[in-house]
This record gives sequence, C-alpha cells and structure tokens, in this order.
Amino acid sequence: QSVLTQPPSVSAAPGQKVTISCSGSSSNIGNNYVSWYQQLPGTAPKLLIYDNNKRPSGIPDRFSGSKSGTSASLGITGLQTGDEADYYCGTWDSSLSAVLFGGGTKLTVL
Amino acid sequence: EVQLLESGGGLVQPGGSLRLSCAASGFTFSSYAMSWVRQAPGKGLEWVSGVRGSDTRTYYADSVKGRFTISRDNSKNTLYLQMNSLRAEDTAVYYCAKGDGAGRFNEADYWGQGTLVTVSS
Repeated sequence: QSVLTQPPSVSAAPGQKVTISCSGSSSNIGNNYVSWYQQLPGTAPKLLIYDNNKRPSGIPDRFSGSKSGTSASLGITGLQTGDEADYYCGTWDSSLSAVLFGGGTKLTVL
Repeated sequence: EVQLLESGGGLVQPGGSLRLSCAASGFTFSSYAMSWVRQAPGKGLEWVSGVRGSDTRTYYADSVKGRFTISRDNSKNTLYLQMNSLRAEDTAVYYCAKGDGAGRFNEADYWGQGTLVTVSS
C-alpha cells in the first residue's frame, strides 16, 4: 500500500474533464513539490507536471496541476482517447529521504 | 537529444547478484541527479535509489537499503545499480531516470526504455 493515495481508476467521456487526486502527509506533499507522470501501455513514464503546476515543454495546457496542504490534483480537460493511461503522482519524502509514488490511477476515456 | 539506455537485466536466482547499467547521452551527465525506478509486473512505480549530480550523495528506498548500491561514472556518462541478495519481489522492469537538476530526483524529465530483472529459481 502506497504512502501517497490515489484513486485506482477514473473515467469520463471524450471532451470532458477529469481530476485525479493524490493524498499524502506533511513529510511529503505538505512540504515538497509534486510531480505527475503519464504511462501509456507498454511504455516508460512521461513527466506531465513538475513543481506542483508547471508543464514541461511539449505538454499541452489541457493538463494542469495544483496542490493544497497535503493533497495534490491533476486535471485533464478536453479528454481524448489517447489520454487513456496510468497516471502517477510523485514527491520527495523528507522523513524517508526518498521519492514516493502514488499507487497509480487508470484513466478510461469512455 | 537526451538518451538513456539501460542494460544488464536478466534471469537470476534468489540470493544472486546483478549489475545494471544506464548509458546517458545528450546532456551534461555530471550536472544532473539520476535515479533507478522499478515496476513489478502489473504493478505501480517504485523509486529504488538516486544519486545527486553535484556531490554524488546517494539515497535508497527502505526495501533495497543494504542490498543495492547506486553509483555513477561521470567520465563514462554511465549510471549503475549493483543488486545483491536478490529476492523474488525484486522482479521488475528497472528504469533509469534523469532529474531536472543536480539534486532533484522527483522531477524525472527523461526515462530509459527499461530493463527486465527476473529473480527466480
């Protein structure tokens, strides 16, 4: 069981919006930056969001990140079938001196 | 173009050892933190270990502490993971990942394609 809690799955129709949550504690999300990764089937993870809400070059603005207290969220608007993937949150844990990942959320675009 | 190419995976018996390598190119290797992240079959991501780009300080997940050793050779632009006392639960695809700064592990902006390690008798 992961220290960072994500819903196992979310779903929405094409064109709609979805939000994926990530819950932690003061030793991790509460005092460190959060990143989000997308993993398409059979491929390596890809950085979507870093420093809570920044997008690397090439990531469309349909993807957004936010953080409040010990929780963070990833938002995806204008859902496309190509967005079907597993999404992971990640952050540094100051007590463990290690990176933690959430358990992952499978997004289904109906 | 940034490239990370892992090698060294394979089948090993429980209690055995294996050394993974990650050959990096397309960036100033010595300036960036590097990590190993693994993914067991059908499971989520698990950060295994990281080494800073500046002072080469190392960090480990509790699950591998004392068994795995991360190192880097900046003259060869290569990251290593020495894995000893391997267990069945270490079976996973192991990814090499580049941080976006000297001490930033969580912001892994480039990943290799992964190498599969299978621990079984």
